This record gives sequence, structure tokens and C-alpha cells, in this order.
Amino acid sequence: DQQVKQNSPSLSVQEGRISILNCDYTNSMFDYFLWYKKYPAEGPTFLISISSIKDKNEDGRFTVFLNKSAKHLSLHIVPSQPGDSAVYFCAAAGAGANSKLTFGKGITLSVRP
Amino acid sequence: DAGVTQSPTHLIKTRGQQVTLRCSPISGHKSVSWYQQVLGQGPQFIFQYYEKEERGRGNFPDRFSARQFPNYSSELNVNALLLGDSALYLCASSLVGPRVTFGSGTRLTVV
Repeated sequence: DQQVKQNSPSLSVQEGRISILNCDYTNSMFDYFLWYKKYPAEGPTFLISISSIKDKNEDGRFTVFLNKSAKHLSLHIVPSQPGDSAVYFCAAAGAGANSKLTFGKGITLSVRP
Repeated sequence: DAGVTQSPTHLIKTRGQQVTLRCSPISGHKSVSWYQQVLGQGPQFIFQYYEKEERGRGNFPDRFSARQFPNYSSELNVNALLLGDSALYLCASSLVGPRVTFGSGTRLTVV
């Protein structure tokens, strides 16, 4: 059973426009959420995270929104750049100090010049 | 500073064989975790070790085992390899908490 769902496998956006990547989760015990970006032949790299006590976290061009009641989060990238083209994974963790992450299947973002 | 380093980068094994994958965490990181990523899927948690003790285990068969050494490096062992074990194996390290740093992975192909 997929506890973290990224239902859209791909997204194509024009350079300079906003990219919105969505993620849904089912496990109400998750209280920390992360986005990772992955280029081919590399490991995932951390992008941004949000704790369940917040509903928004911003870092430069990247903003993550969390809607706990809907069990939904989204990553906004604005403006999108061709170098943002990669696979984006949403991940979730439960309370505690352990680092077990539950990942979605990923979304392939293509930013067209 | 060196990131998380994994070796080897690529590996081809025959069904039934055994494989050992190695990982060195970022200096100062005491937690190491292992993930399996098959094509088209997100990484799936296999193990977490902290201070040489197993702190978590994912839904993987007993053919998978791991350990962490006093210098916090780690090995993942897979016995009796199956074709379905072909995947990218990712090691990640962290100081504490869920934000982890991944290595580039070991691509295992079982033929």
C-alpha cells in the first residue's frame, strides 16, 4: 500500500513559469516531509522540508505547502529554470529521531527553454 | 568535505551469488541507512543503523543484512541473489533526524 503518492508521473513547464509538484499521504503518523531532487546517475539531493507544525516553508525559488487536513503537500518552483529538470521525490517521516523515510514514486519535471 | 561515498559504483552478479556493498558516511554522521530503488519507483527503506545498532528494518527478506562498524561505515549484504534484486542501492547518512544525505549509489545487476 503506497503511503506516499505522487500521482502525476511527469510535468512539463516553460522556463520562467511556476512548477507545482503535488504529493499526497495516507499515514496520519507522518509529521515531517521532505522533497529530494534526483539527476540521472546521482543519488537524491535534499531540496526542502517542512514540519507538520508549519503550513509553509520557503527557500529561495522553492516553497513547500502542507495541508494536514487534506494530507497533501505541494512544491512550488518559481521561476522554473532548465536546470530544474530532474526527478522530484516527496518523502515522509514519522516522529522520533530515526531516519526512515517513505518515498513516493517521483515526478519527472521537464523545464522547456 | 567528502559526502557519502559508496563502493562499488556498478556490479554485475549471477543469480544465487552473494554481494557486499560498502558505504562511508559523512564525517561526524553516526546514522547510516540503506535504501533500494528499482526502476520507476522511489527509494525503499531497508535498514537504519545508529551507533552500530540496528534501529529500523524495512520489509525485506532475511537474505538482506547489514552492519555498522566502529568508524560508522556500513556494509549491506545480500545473499542468494534473485533477478528482482537488480536495483540502485543507496546509502544515506545523517547526524540525527530524518533529513539524510545520500550517496550516488551502487547499481547492482543480477543476471
